[in-house]
Amino acid sequence: DAKTTQPPSMDCAEGRAANLPCNHSTISGNEYVYWYRQIHSQGPQYIIHGLKNNETNEMASLIITEDRKSSTLILPHATLRDTAVYYCIGYAGNMLTFGGGTRLMVKP
Amino acid sequence: EAGVAQSPRYKIIEKRQSVAFWCNPISGHATLYWYQQILGQGPKLLIQFQNNGVVDDSQLPKDRFSAERLKGVDSTLKIQPAKLEDSAVYLCASSLVGDSNSPLHFGNGTRLTVT
Repeated sequence: DAKTTQPPSMDCAEGRAANLPCNHSTISGNEYVYWYRQIHSQGPQYIIHGLKNNETNEMASLIITEDRKSSTLILPHATLRDTAVYYCIGYAGNMLTFGGGTRLMVKP
Repeated sequence: EAGVAQSPRYKIIEKRQSVAFWCNPISGHATLYWYQQILGQGPKLLIQFQNNGVVDDSQLPKDRFSAERLKGVDSTLKIQPAKLEDSAVYLCASSLVGDSNSPLHFGNGTRLTVT
């Protein structure tokens, strides 16, 4: 699976959009980009995934660059409950490998 | 849809004792995973089942860890004997078919403390 690079931490004001970047320059053609988040004392929560096209669901939007070397997870209106560690993962169906993630702090 | 169920939520044991964790995946999910998450780190895969067969157990310390998924539904993970470094959260996850377009859904884990 592709090695991903994420900033270790980010802050966001409550009610504003949170844009979390991820670099996955070594991603292979059959690897999907997955995003999970983990809130303290809970298991990782699936957010969204995509292969080439941008994706949107009730939780977030995923923007993947045309060359697939990077992506951005967008939480359109961040709330205090969105404070968590966010993981970006390249996944080809063999082993879902978690890196360090981005610790997002949503502030009032 | 009910999520992945795990029990117990917490367990404290002394080193050299044995312990078992139980997982009930989402109904209809063929693939089941056990992960270990040490404090401050991301989860690490221990073992993956497809129905009742093992797909990948390359990261499982087989001298002390064992897992089974009888009848392809529930699963148990056992540690015998436990060591101090086994203190961690043990997470169970399931996915519908286990391919790259099939998200994993995680339970809230069992927090194990070995003293």
